[in-house]
Amino acid sequence: AQSVTQLDSQVPVFEEAPVELRCNYSSSVSVYLFWYVQYPNQGLQLLLKYLSGSTLVKGINGFEAEFNKSQTSFHLRKPSVHISDTAEYFCAVSDGQGGSEKLVFGKGTKLTVNP
Amino acid sequence: KAGVTQTPRYLIKTRGQQVTLSCSPISGHRSVSWYQQTPGQGLQFLFEYFSETQRNKGNFPGRFSGRQFSNSRSEMNVSTLELGDSALYLCASSLALMDRNTEAFFGQGTRLTVV
Repeated sequence: AQSVTQLDSQVPVFEEAPVELRCNYSSSVSVYLFWYVQYPNQGLQLLLKYLSGSTLVKGINGFEAEFNKSQTSFHLRKPSVHISDTAEYFCAVSDGQGGSEKLVFGKGTKLTVNP
Repeated sequence: KAGVTQTPRYLIKTRGQQVTLSCSPISGHRSVSWYQQTPGQGLQFLFEYFSETQRNKGNFPGRFSGRQFSNSRSEMNVSTLELGDSALYLCASSLALMDRNTEAFFGQGTRLTVV
């Protein structure tokens, strides 16, 4: 079964600073990776996904992530954060062999952007 | 177009009781997945329903069950509630059976507190 590790449970940064949220996954033959964001009292929203092709994936709200197969990582980055980026971020992998697949999530990283 | 609607948003139940949560997917979506979110365990997959049939199941006891109706609405039931069942229950809908190419859209969740 697939698993995901988010290395930082909390990341505080100042507004307009760059940020990187780290995610490592368990190796498998094929891997499909996702980043979701959860704002307070909200559900999850898809930021970006990696299925195949270019290892640099661009998502919404200025976020991007890089798939690194040799390091089994899929870190999320943003060059300049805003107060409104304060939220919890979840890395996930799709687990399944055809048929129905489920999302396996990491424990989440709480990003706090301070003025 | 309306998003995923979960009702109720908040619920308080007593140990030993049972509870039913409801999820109305986005119009036209045929798959509904359920996830449990707790501070300790994070986000965990419960089950997925597609065309009124359970297609995938997570590692939860039989007290957790669900069903899907012909209009794709889904209900989740938890019997004999335990304190540890306190969690945010998230529902996600997708056009088709979940696979890596299918985007899941999440509702805001039902916050269940067991006292």
